Amino acid sequence: KAGVTQTPRYLIKTRGQQVTLSCSPISGHRSVSWYQQTPGQGLQFLFEYFSETQRNKGNFPGRFSGRQFSNSRSEMNVSTLELGDSALYLCASSFGSSGDTEAFFGQGTRLTVV
Amino acid sequence: GENVEQHPSTLSVQEGDSAVIKCTYSDSASNYFPWYKQELGKRPQLIIDIRSNVGEKKDQRIAVTLNKTAKHFSLHITETQPEDSAVYFCAASQGGSEKLVFGKGMKLTVNP
Repeated sequence: KAGVTQTPRYLIKTRGQQVTLSCSPISGHRSVSWYQQTPGQGLQFLFEYFSETQRNKGNFPGRFSGRQFSNSRSEMNVSTLELGDSALYLCASSFGSSGDTEAFFGQGTRLTVV
Repeated sequence: GENVEQHPSTLSVQEGDSAVIKCTYSDSASNYFPWYKQELGKRPQLIIDIRSNVGEKKDQRIAVTLNKTAKHFSLHITETQPEDSAVYFCAASQGGSEKLVFGKGMKLTVNP
């Protein structure tokens, strides 16, 4: 079956702009989580959506937001981009029913803010 | 909140040697501990996981142990091969959410 798909793969944006990233989970998976990966901070949790509801949120400013649609696809939005937002953004999908099921990662979106 | 510490941050071994990566966690409510391998330029992929009701789990050359009392868990790779070279991440999560708290990662280099 198809894996987790993230689009676009690469993005270059200017400071102050906003950006929307998309994640299509594996069919049947209802949970989508987002992570920011940087060399200095590693993998940091942004938020998790389950059945269109945000179930958990990490310690990121309000400029980072997300949503999930009825088909479980998810988007995350970053407004007023800063240079420090440059990172690899990964989404992970899982069944999400019990909190201890395998999470499958997408290839990520590489965001560069200039 | 949960905090996961991972060490060492880098490890270089000769092909055929064993490698051990250790992680500690802070929240005793954590009950699921996966390990991910990330090769350069690729997505993290689950290699093994362990739940809090199990003390040890093995899958061919890799094994994971969990000590709930001490709140630490370890990954053991035996008979390392050059293709084991990657960054390895440990993580912890609690029931009811898919939130994973990751360690900072360990870069393993296996020299032929």
